[in-house]
Amino acid sequence: DAKTTQPPSMDCAEGRAANLPCNHSTISGNEYVYWYRQIHSQGPQYIIHGLKNNETNEMASLIITEDRKSSTLILPHATLRDTAVYYCIPNSNSGYALNFGKGTSLLVTP
Amino acid sequence: EAQVTQNPRYLITVTGKKLTVTCSQNMNHEYMSWYRQDPGLGLRQIYYSMNVEVTDKGDVPEGYKVSRKEKRNFPLILESPSPNQTSLYFCASGERASNQPQHFGDGTRLSIL
Repeated sequence: DAKTTQPPSMDCAEGRAANLPCNHSTISGNEYVYWYRQIHSQGPQYIIHGLKNNETNEMASLIITEDRKSSTLILPHATLRDTAVYYCIPNSNSGYALNFGKGTSLLVTP
Repeated sequence: EAQVTQNPRYLITVTGKKLTVTCSQNMNHEYMSWYRQDPGLGLRQIYYSMNVEVTDKGDVPEGYKVSRKEKRNFPLILESPSPNQTSLYFCASGERASNQPQHFGDGTRLSIL
């Protein structure tokens, strides 16, 4: 499995964009980058995933560098409810264990 | 609504008393798995199943059993629970061999006294 590096914690003011970086320099060619989050002991929640191209959905945007060694999750207008631990997880398909690592604890403040 | 349902959500029990945590999904997913989450250790996979009657060990299988008799259900069985199995447990499901995301249940908090 590809190893990931994420900052342990970040702060963001409510209403501002939250940009969460992830380093995955050992990612394989067939591995997608998935982002999940966990809000205080609730079940992990899927946010977005991508292979090479940038992706956007109703929750977030995902920017993947051209060499695929890093990515950034963007929450365009963070709210207090976005306070959570965010995990960046390279994974080749849904039939494999997700390696959650330690993630980034995002605190959104009023 | 697509769901992974775990029961019970909370359980306090005593050492040695067999218990089962149920997990059910309504998405016709082939792949299902169990994780436990402990402070400082993150989420670790206990067991997984690629399809009916096919199960395999994850990273921390000791003290647990699973079965997969039907596609939708994947119960976690603790035959003789011990205090070190006090933890937060999550069930997940997904489409095997696809790039679609996995779905997680809301969790089961077990306390073994």
